[in-house]
Amino acid sequence: EIVMTQSPATLSVSPGERVTLSCRASQSIRTKLAWLQQKPGQAPRLLIYDVSTRATGIPARFSGSGSGTEFTLTISSLQSEDFAVYYCQQYNDWPPVTFGQGTKLEIK
Amino acid sequence: QVQLVESGGGVVQPGTSLRLSCAASGLKFRRYGIHWVRQAPGKGLEWVAMITSDGNDQYYADSLRGRLTVSRDNSKYMVYLQLNSLRREDTAVYYCVTDKDWGILNSWGPGTLVTVSS
Repeated sequence: EIVMTQSPATLSVSPGERVTLSCRASQSIRTKLAWLQQKPGQAPRLLIYDVSTRATGIPARFSGSGSGTEFTLTISSLQSEDFAVYYCQQYNDWPPVTFGQGTKLEIK
Repeated sequence: QVQLVESGGGVVQPGTSLRLSCAASGLKFRRYGIHWVRQAPGKGLEWVAMITSDGNDQYYADSLRGRLTVSRDNSKYMVYLQLNSLRREDTAVYYCVTDKDWGILNSWGPGTLVTVSS
């Protein structure tokens, strides 16, 4: 099973700042990586798949990069609605699909 | 627009069984595989199972294999998850999710809460 590790666990940032979240896979997953966003009390939402392709309706301030085992999600200018938990997820070698433990973005 | 709605959750005793349902609308249902993902209270996401678009293949998390059965009825736009021998650690919100392209979890339902407690 591929283990996904996210860092940091929590990030305190101010609106308008640029933020980068990291995700590492225990073995190469090529570019089979997605990012999901989850707000309190809501289901997760697909943000990005195939490392850098934004899902339908996702603003351009969200971007992804990486390949192999190291990946990043960048939010260029944080908006109030972006404060949430972000999960990375691999689908290169499944079952099982595996997720990182999440990074919580909180308001500084 | 795509809509998935889970139902069937509730409070159940350890050792009992439960069948969750997922009703889909707004999509060409027969084209989509469907995943189940769960989330224990205050915890992260855990993949549970997947059924292919035609229903011919099912995939299960190793930790749950033997206690789960996923099925679908394409004529009714429905997917089902049968959970047997429920344990307290099965307490979670269960989500059904469309498969965009072999493992990309696209559209999510709001989830249904299963609480296993005596």
